[in-house]
Amino acid sequence: GAVVSQHPSWVICKSGTSVKIECRSLDFQATTMFWYRQFPKQSLMLMATSNEGSKATYEQGVEKDKFLINHASLTLSTLTVTSAHPEDSSFYICSALNGGSYNEQFFGPGTRLTVL
Amino acid sequence: GENVEQHPSTLSVQEGDSAVIKCTYSDSASNYFPWYKQELGKGPQLIIDIRSNVGEKKDQRIAVTLNKTAKHFSLHITETQPEDSAVYFCAASIRQGNKLVFGAGTILRVKS
Repeated sequence: GAVVSQHPSWVICKSGTSVKIECRSLDFQATTMFWYRQFPKQSLMLMATSNEGSKATYEQGVEKDKFLINHASLTLSTLTVTSAHPEDSSFYICSALNGGSYNEQFFGPGTRLTVL
Repeated sequence: GENVEQHPSTLSVQEGDSAVIKCTYSDSASNYFPWYKQELGKGPQLIIDIRSNVGEKKDQRIAVTLNKTAKHFSLHITETQPEDSAVYFCAASIRQGNKLVFGAGTILRVKS
């Protein structure tokens, strides 16, 4: 149980375009999902908290107009990187909070974004 | 805010030996401490966690200990195998919103 999927697993786009990444909890409902960014050989950095039915909460230094988050249902959150630039190239990982297990986050497999 | 420090950054052990990774945290209100294993190109996988009301937890070859007074917790892997080679991250919960703060990670290499 507690499986989280992400789509796509990798994407290459041109500078200036927008890219949408989906995060789904497959076998449980997640009122809260998190989005992280991970640069090579570095740790996970929390970008934002996505709450179903309400606005996302962004961490300090993360541009909310650049990284649009939508949590429209209890099993789906999306991250859209708008007007992507090469410096946005990174590994984006989502996690879902299993409401039955306090604090326990289950991570998706990640999405590798490369902006040319 | 919460700060989590993790040591060592790299660890090489011989197959069959034990591996220990240590983390310290700063927020005394933290009450949940998970450990994740991340293989190259994949998302982190929860391998064990501990809550602040216990001092030790074990699951087969993996154990975690917690010292709340000293604010540190450790991951112990016994009888290491080559497939244990990966990056390991510790994390600690923070007060608001069930968020986690991660350590910098430890690259574990198990030599056969």
